[in-house]
Amino acid sequence: ILNVEQSPQSLHVQEGDSTNFTCSFPSSNFYALHWYRWETAKSPEALFVMTLNGDEKKKGRISATLNTKEGYSYLYIKGSQPEDSATYLCALRDSSYKLIFGSGTRLLVRP
Amino acid sequence: ETGVTQSPTHLIKTRGQQVTLRCSSQSGHNTVSWYQQALGQGPQFIFQYYREEENGRGNFPPRFSGLQFPNYSSELNVNALELDDSALYLCASSRDGSATGELFFGEGSRLTVL
Repeated sequence: ILNVEQSPQSLHVQEGDSTNFTCSFPSSNFYALHWYRWETAKSPEALFVMTLNGDEKKKGRISATLNTKEGYSYLYIKGSQPEDSATYLCALRDSSYKLIFGSGTRLLVRP
Repeated sequence: ETGVTQSPTHLIKTRGQQVTLRCSSQSGHNTVSWYQQALGQGPQFIFQYYREEENGRGNFPPRFSGLQFPNYSSELNVNALELDDSALYLCASSRDGSATGELFFGEGSRLTVL
């Protein structure tokens, strides 16, 4: 059974701090790695889909890197703002095309 | 372009009952998948439909079943409800179900089984 691990489970930072979290996954059977942002009472929203080893993607203050050989991805947020408060989910897309999600990192940014 | 909509948003059932949850996929999307999110966990894959055929299933018993209609909307049916079925059920649509296609989620249907 493929397992996707995310750490930390939760994170409290001050407005303006930069932060990062980790997603670990088995490097075999890899097709793609997805990151989603999920605000309370809303629907999960796709941030990035990454497929290539060494891939780096950026959207505004948020960026992500991917290492498929060692099985991890980092998500970085530069200069956190209160509106960045959300749960950040990573998910592995395997050969059967299903998404296997981690439990998420809950980020709270204090003003 | 309308997003993914799910109904109902909340419902309460008792053990042994049956429930049907509905999902309208985003315009132009032919693939829909369903996920169950229990408290404190990430979403768990239930199954995926592509052009009205189930083409992937997670580790859920047969009492979880689904349908996709010609307009690509979908239903999730759960029979003989158990207390552990209490969860948020998410529907997601994508353009073609490919590995790199991002999913567009609805806000979910929260099911409570008493």
